Amino acid sequence: DIVMTQSPLSLPVTPGEPAAISCRSSQSLLRSTGYNSLHWYLQKPGQSPQLLIYLGSHRASGVPDRFSGSGSGTDFTLRISRVETEDVGVYYCIQALQTPWTFGQGTKVEIK
Amino acid sequence: QVRLMQSGSELKEPGASVRVSCKASGYSFTNYAIHWVRQAPGQGLEWVGWINTNTGNPTYAQAFTGRFVFSLDTSVTTAYLQISSLKAEDTAIYSCATPLWTDALDIWGQGTMVTVSS
Repeated sequence: DIVMTQSPLSLPVTPGEPAAISCRSSQSLLRSTGYNSLHWYLQKPGQSPQLLIYLGSHRASGVPDRFSGSGSGTDFTLRISRVETEDVGVYYCIQALQTPWTFGQGTKVEIK
Repeated sequence: QVRLMQSGSELKEPGASVRVSCKASGYSFTNYAIHWVRQAPGQGLEWVGWINTNTGNPTYAQAFTGRFVFSLDTSVTTAYLQISSLKAEDTAIYSCATPLWTDALDIWGQGTMVTVSS
């Protein structure tokens, strides 16, 4: 199975400041198409996960442009340019290259 | 309106079975896979597996083979997750999801809480 490792696991943030979460996979997620099978989700308290970024760097519909995804192969980063209070929750990466799909451990983002 | 509507919370005794339903609406059900994801209390997300809604062929993560079964009723655009011989450690929220607009799971059900307790 592909192992997904996120860091940090806890991220205290100040509103208006940037934030970044790393996600590393145990093998390359780069497809022959040139896309990476890596997606990012935010799970707000008491809610289902919501898709933020798909295929490594494509922002999902309705997602604010302060969220961006980058990386390729085994190293990926989710960035929030200016954190807002509504961004608190747990962020997960997931690889969809091969079954079983596997999630990272999650990164809990909270306001300082 | 695209939607996945799941059945309500369940409280079961150890050894019993439970069936969680996931009704799809607003899109062509048999054109998109249904995935299942588990979240134990206070824990992260865990992929259970997926079912091909066109062929009915299921794929399970290794940890979910044997007692977990996916099924479909395409006449009512509904997917099911059945768990047999329930154990306390099966206590979790089970969610269905589908990759409708992207390669990722972009439409989610609201989740079904299954509690296993005597």
